[in-house]
Amino acid sequence: DGGITQSPKYLFRKEGQNVTLSCEQNLNHDAMYWYRQDPGQGLRLIYYSQIVNDFQKGDIAEGYSVSREKKESFPLTVTSAQKNPTAFYLCASSIRAGEETQYFGPGTRLLVL
Amino acid sequence: GDSVTQMEGPVTLSEEAFLTINCTYTATGYPSLFWYVQYPGEGLQLLLKATKADDKGSNKGFEATYRKETTSFHLEKGSVQVSDSAVYFCALIGSGNTGKLIFGQGTTLQVKP
Repeated sequence: DGGITQSPKYLFRKEGQNVTLSCEQNLNHDAMYWYRQDPGQGLRLIYYSQIVNDFQKGDIAEGYSVSREKKESFPLTVTSAQKNPTAFYLCASSIRAGEETQYFGPGTRLLVL
Repeated sequence: GDSVTQMEGPVTLSEEAFLTINCTYTATGYPSLFWYVQYPGEGLQLLLKATKADDKGSNKGFEATYRKETTSFHLEKGSVQVSDSAVYFCALIGSGNTGKLIFGQGTTLQVKP
């Protein structure tokens, strides 16, 4: 089955620690996105990538970093500079950036110890 | 900038009742409009979309019509079921061809038997 996978489902971070969230897609999509969801709020864009080896900051990129070395993979690192990382993180992809429909993974919930 | 406003929830209905969730938007140009649904602990699933004025998106008994004159994209269903209980997000693809989705804050629907 084609789709988007995210791992782990739950992730715990200690103070001062960097953690990496995985996002993989086998849909052959060019564009990939990371969103953050806080309780009772809509999603906000962290980073996006329109093509391999290229990515752009979204609205709330501070304290996060990404890479796009392979078309199917777009990992997100939550660094120690992100002071309020507790949230639900959702990865999405689309055939290409622009007006195309985005398809979402199941999400990773990040909690701070 | 572009924005989406949804009616506040939670919305509580009895099974087989008629559902309307209001959504209005502010955007330049002609954005594509989407409704996504999120079940507890899961990622978002595309429910329906419309890409130009007067288009009607439909899926699983849900409908929404792209009304440019009122900048609205209200979600409707004639007869809700308990299994429709979820959070519903209205969204648009912002201008600038980045593919950035701009979300409303979400509306929680609870359907009671």
